[in-house]
Amino acid sequence: NAGVTQTPKFRILKIGQSMTLQCTQDMNHNYMYWYRQDPGMGLKLIYYSVGAGITDKGEVPNGYNVSRSTTEDFPLRLELAAPSQTSVYFCASSYDRANSGNTIYFGEGSWLTVV
Amino acid sequence: DAKTTQPTSMDCAEGRAANLPCNHSTISGNEYVYWYRQIHSQGPQYIIHGLKNNETNEMASLIITEDRKSSTLILPHATLRDTAVYYCIVRTYGQNFVFGPGTRLSVLP
Repeated sequence: NAGVTQTPKFRILKIGQSMTLQCTQDMNHNYMYWYRQDPGMGLKLIYYSVGAGITDKGEVPNGYNVSRSTTEDFPLRLELAAPSQTSVYFCASSYDRANSGNTIYFGEGSWLTVV
Repeated sequence: DAKTTQPTSMDCAEGRAANLPCNHSTISGNEYVYWYRQIHSQGPQYIIHGLKNNETNEMASLIITEDRKSSTLILPHATLRDTAVYYCIVRTYGQNFVFGPGTRLSVLP
């Protein structure tokens, strides 16, 4: 029972490099999300998607891009990495609107350090 | 957005009940109260949610006041593995959850 799977788990990037965090879910969920969590802080929403082909910005979208070509996959792209993007990134999914009673399921996180 | 207010930290003795409070005085009538926890930077884990009535599952109980302005998460017999940050969430940002700093629960031997 895989749930939400993120790769890579750890990555070190140099300033100005680009990379993609991969996320896939096998629960046939319509909604997918990317959050970041800085040390000692709560999670902040970067981007979300309500279905294949549809994405929207969350609280902190600057410096990131996403795509949703399939129901299962929701990759997060970092362009021109900056030290401020050093964080733990969590992908999540839910079947329907988050405030309709359905729950959100999270991946185990991707630790990214930009040096 | 409705805000939740939780204590920054709490301690609980192992084997005792842990009662984690949450204030959400501006909650709207059709909004749910969710509880998640995060153990040592793992992905947040769903615990329980409710709308009006009290709820219980294998992990915890959720007590929601009649006016819905506050709630309490109860872990009936806390163990060391329950040490975590617990998030109370009642609003979404658009269609989504907003996570505050939560309550850091330490279960002490």
